[in-house]
Amino acid sequence: QVQLVESGGGVVQPGRSLRLSCAASGFTFSRYALHWVRQAPGKGLEWVAVISKDGSHKYDADSVKGRFTISRDNSKNTLYLQMNSLRVEDTAVYYCARGGGGAAGYFDYWGQGTLVTVSS
Amino acid sequence: SYVLTQPPSVSVAPGQTARITCGGNNIGDKSVHWYQQKPGQAPVLVVYDDSDRPSGIPERFSGSNSGNTATLTISRVEAGDEADYYCQVWDGSSDHGLFGGGTKLTVL
Repeated sequence: QVQLVESGGGVVQPGRSLRLSCAASGFTFSRYALHWVRQAPGKGLEWVAVISKDGSHKYDADSVKGRFTISRDNSKNTLYLQMNSLRVEDTAVYYCARGGGGAAGYFDYWGQGTLVTVSS
Repeated sequence: SYVLTQPPSVSVAPGQTARITCGGNNIGDKSVHWYQQKPGQAPVLVVYDDSDRPSGIPERFSGSNSGNTATLTISRVEAGDEADYYCQVWDGSSDHGLFGGGTKLTVL
């Protein structure tokens, strides 16, 4: 069965960096686009970034542009999110999600999430 | 930028039908997807491409999309359907994902 397992969350000071990982199994990793979606405490879902199947195309939300970088290693079945210059407002549970539907862009499987807390 | 508008809350008695709306400018021209999220859990896709259901999702969940409103309909509501529901579209012009603000479904 499809499994996505995030790791790397924790408490970090504003301005510092953190790298999240998402280990995938149960499907052919290189055939799917992958996304990061976050949810601040008590708030709604916010799409963060997407990377294409081969990693050649990447897009991210305006709120993280220039600070976060999505990447993937198809040989390791792993998705990453490098988060630099973290802000208090980046505090959230970060989910990785598999992209479904091609251009229609929905998220058919989700990990359980990893909590990132940005605080001094 | 494109905005998706959902009512903050919807309440329904068990056995009745719940309708959760998602408003957007000409949203009928887009594919709309819906997610269910229970407290402390990751979201689950319940409807995709306006009205299709992933395997394992009960037939009680259905969707429609026309004009400026997409609707998630839950028939014969059960206590276990109590959750937050989010609509979502993909903005192809910017290659960005977009979620509605979410609707809390309360089963009375």
